[in-house]
Amino acid sequence: QIQLVQSGAEVKKAGASVKLSCEASGYPFTTYNIHWVRQAPGQGLEWMGWINAGNGRTKYSQKFQDTVIITRDTAANTVYMELPSLRSEDTAVYFCARHRSGWWLDNWGQGTLVTVSS
Amino acid sequence: QSALTQPASVSGSLGQSITISCTGLSTDPGTYNLVSWYQQYPDRAPRILITEGNKRPSGVSDRFSGSKSGNVASLTISNLQADDEALYYCCSDTTSATLIFGAGTKLTV
Repeated sequence: QIQLVQSGAEVKKAGASVKLSCEASGYPFTTYNIHWVRQAPGQGLEWMGWINAGNGRTKYSQKFQDTVIITRDTAANTVYMELPSLRSEDTAVYFCARHRSGWWLDNWGQGTLVTVSS
Repeated sequence: QSALTQPASVSGSLGQSITISCTGLSTDPGTYNLVSWYQQYPDRAPRILITEGNKRPSGVSDRFSGSKSGNVASLTISNLQADDEALYYCCSDTTSATLIFGAGTKLTV
């Protein structure tokens, strides 16, 4: 079955960087885009960006345009999301999700909690 | 497209119907406003309920339905059940090939 399995929780100091992974299985990896969405504690969903797993093209939210880096490794069927220079406001659960034609997200990873301490 | 506005909370009784609105869709000609709706339980990943405004993916109960009129999309849940108590988010594509989520609505049954 289709699965997106994300890497484990991270605890980082402010100013550090973090790189999260999202390993896909159960479908042809390069034929679907993968999105990243985050959710701060007690807050709503915030869309961050997506990557075309086939050609590596990315698109970011204006908010994250100059900070987030989304990449993929087709040999490992894995998408990565890197946040350099973390701030306390980056404390959140980060989800990856698969894009479907019609701009909806059908399968989601379990989420990765990133905690940033000052 | 700047923001999608949802009511912070709605409530209903078992067996009743409720509607959650999502305001702020673009009215520019040529925009698709492909609206999707997600349900989220605490500490869980969101789950798709409605796609492209009014389509239900396989496995989603027909008690969930979506519609759109002008710059407002709506999610209706009929015959409310106890396990419908959750957070609900609308989401739309934009002309910039990005997504935007509403702030979410907490449904209390």
